[in-house]
Amino acid sequence: AQTVTQSQPEMSVQEAETVTLSCTYDTSENNYYLFWYKQPPSRQMILVIRQEAYKQQNATENRFSVNFQKAAKSFSLKISDSQLGDTAMYFCALLDSNYQLIWGAGTKLIIKP
Amino acid sequence: DTGVSQNPRHKITKRGQNVTFRCDPISEHNRLYWYRQTLGQGPEFLTYFQNEAQLEKSRLLSDRFSAERPKGSFSTLEIQRTEQGDSAMYLCASSLGAGIYEQYFGPGTRLTVT
Repeated sequence: AQTVTQSQPEMSVQEAETVTLSCTYDTSENNYYLFWYKQPPSRQMILVIRQEAYKQQNATENRFSVNFQKAAKSFSLKISDSQLGDTAMYFCALLDSNYQLIWGAGTKLIIKP
Repeated sequence: DTGVSQNPRHKITKRGQNVTFRCDPISEHNRLYWYRQTLGQGPEFLTYFQNEAQLEKSRLLSDRFSAERPKGSFSTLEIQRTEQGDSAMYLCASSLGAGIYEQYFGPGTRLTVT
């Protein structure tokens, strides 16, 4: 069975600091996709960044970047220069060969002013 | 591109009643997904469509749940004889397909069964 684990239920940092959210996963497939989504309070799920497993280069989207370690099955998200608007639940998700997203339990990130 | 829309946004119903939710995907997206999310948890996959064909159903989807996507456009999710355990946020997402795998989500329908 494929699983996604987020071991940090909650994190908080000061505005402008850098924060890293952890995610590990388990899959027997060789070709898959990984995603980070954010879900602000009472708002909808927003795609933050994606990573194709066959690509060695880590994905980057503005202040968001990932550290993808395929052998270790690790997929962490780094947020640089954090902003108040980054406060949200962050979910790591694995897309399986049936196009289902397998989700972690989420990390609640609080950015303090 | 108006994004994925879902109606209603909130639904309160009594146990035993039937409810139906609607999802309108992003136009030209041929894949549509339903997920269920309970408070403090990540979403759980329920089912997905490619065009009008329902290709996958989770074992979470009991016989009381049915989903349709007539003509490959909008989709409906019906829950019959609702139970208190059905209380959750029901999320719809769509993706373009054809090698594009990102799923874009709607705002969800929050169901409360009393």
